[in-house]
Amino acid sequence: DVKVTQSSRYLVKRTGEKVFLECVQDMDHENMFWYRQDPGLGLRLIYFSYDVKMKEKGDIPEGYSVSREKKERFSLILESASTNQTSMYLCASSFTGMGKGYEQYFGPGTRLTVT
Amino acid sequence: DAKTTQPNSMESNEEEPVHLPCNHSTISGTDYIHWYRQLPSQGPEYVIHGLTSNVNNRMASLAIAEDRKSSTLILHRATLRDAAVYYCILRDFYNAGNMLTFGGGTRLMVKP
Repeated sequence: DVKVTQSSRYLVKRTGEKVFLECVQDMDHENMFWYRQDPGLGLRLIYFSYDVKMKEKGDIPEGYSVSREKKERFSLILESASTNQTSMYLCASSFTGMGKGYEQYFGPGTRLTVT
Repeated sequence: DAKTTQPNSMESNEEEPVHLPCNHSTISGTDYIHWYRQLPSQGPEYVIHGLTSNVNNRMASLAIAEDRKSSTLILHRATLRDAAVYYCILRDFYNAGNMLTFGGGTRLMVKP
């Protein structure tokens, strides 16, 4: 079974803190993604990575950065957390292209509260 | 990106079939139709996908209109566990990055 794990289910941080959200997948997927999910706004793509050390901005990258030093691990970084970054954060991974598979596999999510 | 339109919510009785509609009138020839669902307090999970022909798997069936401007996800016997938000998403075949754009989805409620 494909597994995507996220470091925390719930996290509470203070405004201005640096926050690291970690995601690990065990299926040797090339692609990894970070989304945030907010009521009424659905899932929105923050960043994705198609290879180690490679990253591309998604729809809402402002206020976030990412790191992918190893194929299985993709980190989302909030350099200085703000209250408007309170949200559910979802990590996902997939193979590249249609040849090896097409599904995105999601982790359970991290509910981040910034106070 | 081509957009999809789904009803905000639907209701079903347990053990009855459920037909979840999706309109995608601006679909292009290289767009695959994907369905994901999100159970409460979980990340989304893949359900099924198709291009032109109807598709079946252990979870559901996908019926695609001949002109491909609409599709229907069919759950043959709804269970309480099927209560979730169902997302219909178009994915370009040439989108090697496998990026998905999620819309609002349909919230399915299943009554016992």
